[in-house]
Amino acid sequence: EVQLVESGGGLIQPGGSVRLSCAASGFTVSSNHMSWVRQAPGKGLEWVSVIYGGGSAYYADSVRGRFTISSDSSRNALYLQMNSLRAEDTAVYYCTRGGSDQPFDSWGQGTLVTVSS
Amino acid sequence: IVMTQSPATLSVSPGERVTLSCRASQSVSTNLAWYQQTPGQAPRLLIYGVSTRATGIPARFSGSGSGTEFTLTISSLQSEDFAVYYCQQYNYWWTFGQGTKVEIK
Repeated sequence: EVQLVESGGGLIQPGGSVRLSCAASGFTVSSNHMSWVRQAPGKGLEWVSVIYGGGSAYYADSVRGRFTISSDSSRNALYLQMNSLRAEDTAVYYCTRGGSDQPFDSWGQGTLVTVSS
Repeated sequence: IVMTQSPATLSVSPGERVTLSCRASQSVSTNLAWYQQTPGQAPRLLIYGVSTRATGIPARFSGSGSGTEFTLTISSLQSEDFAVYYCQQYNYWWTFGQGTKVEIK
């Protein structure tokens, strides 16, 4: 069974940093395209970043230069390093399997990041 | 690519047939998916490739359309179907519609 479990969210001050983790089971992260999708409180879904099986990474304009996606094959995990956080980054962040020409077929339960002083 | 869903909210009774619309600002070929999100839960993939149901999705859910106009139909609404539905294109990067909330009438 495919399972994704995020962790690492919390209350962060503006300008601060946090690293989100996503532990995967039931499949191999490094052999799949993996994405982060976020949802601001009461709002819709926004794609944030993708890492392809070959290692290439891409970002939404709103986070490029501030966020970094990575994966660790030994831990079968996905990460999102978030720097220079802003209030508008406040959202539930979901780890998903999918990208390129594929839909997002599996989602974690999400982790809430709140950026506030 | 901008995805526009209509209506924003749909009030329906259990057992009714429901049709949700999604329009893309340019052609997305067949790279169109639908997701269901219930309160406090993560989105769940319902339909991909315009009309292919994801694993475990009941047959009452169906998708259709092509190019820029797409539809999700629920043939007979069940209590567990009251949720927010999002369309998504994955033809050029990934963008979602703003969602349609299906609520109890």
